[in-house]
Amino acid sequence: GAGVSQSPSNKVTEKGKDVELRCDPISGHTALYWYRQSLGQGLEFLIYFQGNSAPDKSGLPSDRFSAERTGGSVSTLTIQRTQQEDSAVYLCASSLDNRGQPQHFGDGTRLSIL
Amino acid sequence: KNQVEQSPQSLIILEGKNCTLQCNYTVSPFSNLRWYKQDTGRGPVSLTIMTFSENTKSNGRYTATLDADTKQSSLHITASQLSDSASYICVVSGTTSGTYKYIFGTGTRLKVLA
Repeated sequence: GAGVSQSPSNKVTEKGKDVELRCDPISGHTALYWYRQSLGQGLEFLIYFQGNSAPDKSGLPSDRFSAERTGGSVSTLTIQRTQQEDSAVYLCASSLDNRGQPQHFGDGTRLSIL
Repeated sequence: KNQVEQSPQSLIILEGKNCTLQCNYTVSPFSNLRWYKQDTGRGPVSLTIMTFSENTKSNGRYTATLDADTKQSSLHITASQLSDSASYICVVSGTTSGTYKYIFGTGTRLKVLA
């Protein structure tokens, strides 16, 4: 597609359930980033992919969070045993490379944990 | 510590008026600075990008300035429109061991009233 696509756009789930968020980056973009945005807060870096590898996963808040990328394209962010504090908007961005090219963002997945 | 601070936190202006948003950073080494516009419920969209050697850059009614000596940037919006209501995010990138890091400010929430 023309832009970064994220799905689902909204997700409501019960505490303790696992959730999987998907990101389809712009075709040809080798770098992919996941961010978390809580209400009224700035973007919090979670993980960065270059191709299928993740050279920087320093932002993942706990071992309940994991992410993978396959075929140098689609990425999924998985949150296990969700907690209420996981409620946020999860944004994905892609860029041509990680040498300062502009990041193109999806519209995010709004995750609500009941 | 690499930080990006934006002010004001929020701003309300009347349609047709001008306004200026501020961004101060302590990111080092510095590579470039971007201003993003984020509409409610959408992902951020890039407005301008400035490198170390650039002092000013315009994109329609948006004009960004950069003072690399004082590590300050501003975003000036001329003749504001209702559609300018959004959050404006300052993002500074720098390289560490050849890897780019993106440091996000918490944004300025602008509301333009008719």
